[in-house]
Amino acid sequence: GENVEQHPSTLSVQEGDSAVIKCTYSDSASNYFPWYKQELGKRPQLIIDIRSNVGEKKDQRIAVTLNKTAKHFSLHITETQPEDSAVYFCAAQNSNQFYFGTGTSLTVIP
Amino acid sequence: EAQVTQNPRYLITVTGKKLTVTCSQNMNHEYMSWYRQDPGLGLRQIYYSMNVEVTDKGDVPEGYKVSRKEKRNFPLILESPSPNQTSLYFCASSLFQGLNTEAFFGQGTRLTVV
Repeated sequence: GENVEQHPSTLSVQEGDSAVIKCTYSDSASNYFPWYKQELGKRPQLIIDIRSNVGEKKDQRIAVTLNKTAKHFSLHITETQPEDSAVYFCAAQNSNQFYFGTGTSLTVIP
Repeated sequence: EAQVTQNPRYLITVTGKKLTVTCSQNMNHEYMSWYRQDPGLGLRQIYYSMNVEVTDKGDVPEGYKVSRKEKRNFPLILESPSPNQTSLYFCASSLFQGLNTEAFFGQGTRLTVV
């Protein structure tokens, strides 16, 4: 099956700085890559996603890039704010299954 | 309001006592799935269902059962719970048609097996 690795596991940034979270996947058949944000005690919620026929997607301060050849994709958050503090999960869809990374705990220091 | 509802939110049970966690969605979604979330392991898919009466194993199905008799409901059954099934469980649903694959998660069920 698919194997998704996510780094780093924890990340601290100063408010206003950028944050980058990276994920790799193993199966070239994976074709959909969502990112979820989970605030403390809450459910995961989709923040951005990208499909294998697209290299980059942006939504205000959040962007995702995909390199199919290298099998990695990254989440970029610019101008970070304290409310960005949460756990972020990447995922890869392969056929009808979803495989999640182990999560990155992001702390934005005011 | 469009939502995925799980019950109960918290459950403490003893080893071997059968239990069911319910999941219901009101969005007419085709695809439903169950995940468990453990520290350092992220979310791991237990079972998923593409439609009524169609279920498949995910990455970690051992010790779990599911059923999909109606489109809106997808209960998770633990026939004989063990302490290693202590975890936070999430149900999720998505339309899963064309480009509509966003998963909507329930509020989670924290299960403790003693």
